[in-house]
Amino acid sequence: EDQVTQSPEALRLQEGESSSLNCSYTVSGLRGLFWYRQDPGKGPEFLFTLYSAGEEKEKERLKATLTKKESFLHITAPKPEDSATYLCAVPKTGNQFYFGTGTSLTVIP
Amino acid sequence: EAGVVQSPRYKIIEKKQPVAFWCNPISGHNTLYWYRQNLGQGPELLIRYENEEAVDDSQLPKDRFSAERLKGVDSTLKIQPAELGDSAVYLCASSLDGVPVYNEQFFGPGTRLTVL
Repeated sequence: EDQVTQSPEALRLQEGESSSLNCSYTVSGLRGLFWYRQDPGKGPEFLFTLYSAGEEKEKERLKATLTKKESFLHITAPKPEDSATYLCAVPKTGNQFYFGTGTSLTVIP
Repeated sequence: EAGVVQSPRYKIIEKKQPVAFWCNPISGHNTLYWYRQNLGQGPELLIRYENEEAVDDSQLPKDRFSAERLKGVDSTLKIQPAELGDSAVYLCASSLDGVPVYNEQFFGPGTRLTVL
């Protein structure tokens, strides 16, 4: 069965303390993996799309990487404004997107 | 450029009452999605439109949920009658034409529904 699992569920970091979020998947024939950021009371905001193993993309303090089984979202020297829930999503058959449950990140000043 | 607009932002109703949500996608985006997001979960697709046509509604509970997208622009999602388990955030998203895996989805702020 296709699955997308994100870990940890919640992560608290001190400002400047780098870490990584994980998204593992068991979807066969991966056609892409998407990362979104969601702030409280708002809809998800697109961050990255990765299409093939070995691909990496960066945006400010965020860097997303993809292997054949999982993706990592690395956060370097985070700031309080990086606090949010980070969601990953993969397309299933029929172009539906299967979202993970997210990692809630809190960055403490 | 205006983003995806949704209204209302919040709705509180009694169970068995009807409720409707409205979405205006980004101009030029012909693909429109309705998602439901329960607390602590990721969004789950309810229905996807390509212009006026519903091309993926397999997850829509058709006994009580209905949706329409007249003229291929605005869309309305309706629940009648609402049940306690329908309490969630209902998100609308839009994207450009083409294969969804290659097109970024832009989400609206959502409508938070509480059914009492």
